[in-house]
Amino acid sequence: GAGVSQSPSNKVTEKGKDVELRCDPISGHTALYWYRQSLGQGLEFLIYFQGNSAPDKSGLPSDRFSAERTGGSVSTLTIQRTQQEDSAVYLCASRYTGEETQYFGPGTRLLVL
Amino acid sequence: AQSVTQLGSHVSVSEGALVLLRCNYSSSVPPYLFWYVQYPNQGLQLLLKYTTGATLVKGINGFEAEFKKSETSFHLTKPSAHMSDAAEYFCAVHNSGGYNKLIFGAGTRLAVHP
Repeated sequence: GAGVSQSPSNKVTEKGKDVELRCDPISGHTALYWYRQSLGQGLEFLIYFQGNSAPDKSGLPSDRFSAERTGGSVSTLTIQRTQQEDSAVYLCASRYTGEETQYFGPGTRLLVL
Repeated sequence: AQSVTQLGSHVSVSEGALVLLRCNYSSSVPPYLFWYVQYPNQGLQLLLKYTTGATLVKGINGFEAEFKKSETSFHLTKPSAHMSDAAEYFCAVHNSGGYNKLIFGAGTRLAVHP
């Protein structure tokens, strides 16, 4: 079946603009994760959604970052007032309840000029 | 708190040579351990994982890893490197039962030369 998909694959924006990144998890996967991959910080956890439970937002670096998951499926990561240090690859992963493996999407490469 | 250390940010081997990528972890609870591979401009693909049971786990593309609790290690090996193995490899841990975030190592870039 289809894997995790993310859009856009690349995004170039100007400093101060807002951006939205989308993730479509594998159908039936109840858990969804966002990670950020940057040169200086490696792979970092951002946020985790599990079913209807309150999300674990402990990895969000600032209040400019937010995410939602509508209908238990698609998720959107929003970065407000982007800064140059937000430039990174944003990876989404999903997992089926009862399994340990997270399946990753191809990522969105964000460049803030 | 959990953490992962990957020794060697870059490893270079000859085609046909043994591949050994090192991973050590820190965890106060029984760990679940993973190796992921990332090819250029792609997402992460699971190579193999250890949860419980047999400590030697086999994965895709001829890779295997052994969980050694006494050494807190989970090194990745492949007997004979292929040019197509050139990629970045990440070791990761999350606490058993928590199904929460993965904690990643810094990654090891593997180069394979003829």
